[in-house]
Amino acid sequence: GDKVKQSPSALSLQEGTNSALRCNFSIAATTVQWFLQNPRGSLINLFYLVPGTKENGRLKSAFDSKESYSTLHIRDAQLEDSGTYFCAADGGNTGKLIFGLGTTLQVQP
Amino acid sequence: EAAVTQSPRNKVAVTGGKVTLSCNQTNNHNNMYWYRQDTGHGLRLIHYSYGAGSTEKGDIPDGYKASRPSQENFSLILELATPSQTSVYFCASGGGTTQNTLYFGAGTRLSVL
Repeated sequence: GDKVKQSPSALSLQEGTNSALRCNFSIAATTVQWFLQNPRGSLINLFYLVPGTKENGRLKSAFDSKESYSTLHIRDAQLEDSGTYFCAADGGNTGKLIFGLGTTLQVQP
Repeated sequence: EAAVTQSPRNKVAVTGGKVTLSCNQTNNHNNMYWYRQDTGHGLRLIHYSYGAGSTEKGDIPDGYKASRPSQENFSLILELATPSQTSVYFCASGGGTTQNTLYFGAGTRLSVL
């Protein structure tokens, strides 16, 4: 958790609202991945990022390697977005990912 | 969709016993990984592999061995299980043609009594 720091650690949203999650890196990350661990425990890959941005439906993610951070924006949150979001960084294209401790998101009706 | 299968899904072992966790992937990915997940620690890398016959130590390898006999299979071996190894273990594969997107198995819940 020291090399990849996620914030906030927990978050509660009303359905239909927007939010942003953040990862700060103390390593020279070359690529970043975002995962959602759903309430059943399954880890689902959301994004693979080199420096830049990607968008997929209501999710948008950005990775700035110079400033050493990545963000995940959730637009129009839905109940099924609930779970724990993890970011993970690869410091040098080694294929070895270092994970943050996660942001637990609860979307309320 | 990438497929990673772990077995068993649940395991209860006795202290000092040998435990083998198995992972199979049908994605033809070069890289495979074993992580453990514990409250307060997130996911921590135990061992990984770049291909058949190779194993590399991750961040917390002590007490674990790994074996990659083929492209498809990657095992995690606890020769002498201890209660501190009670955890949820995840296997993942990655290293497709364009990027190392990781795909995880469903996890194995291990309890060492």
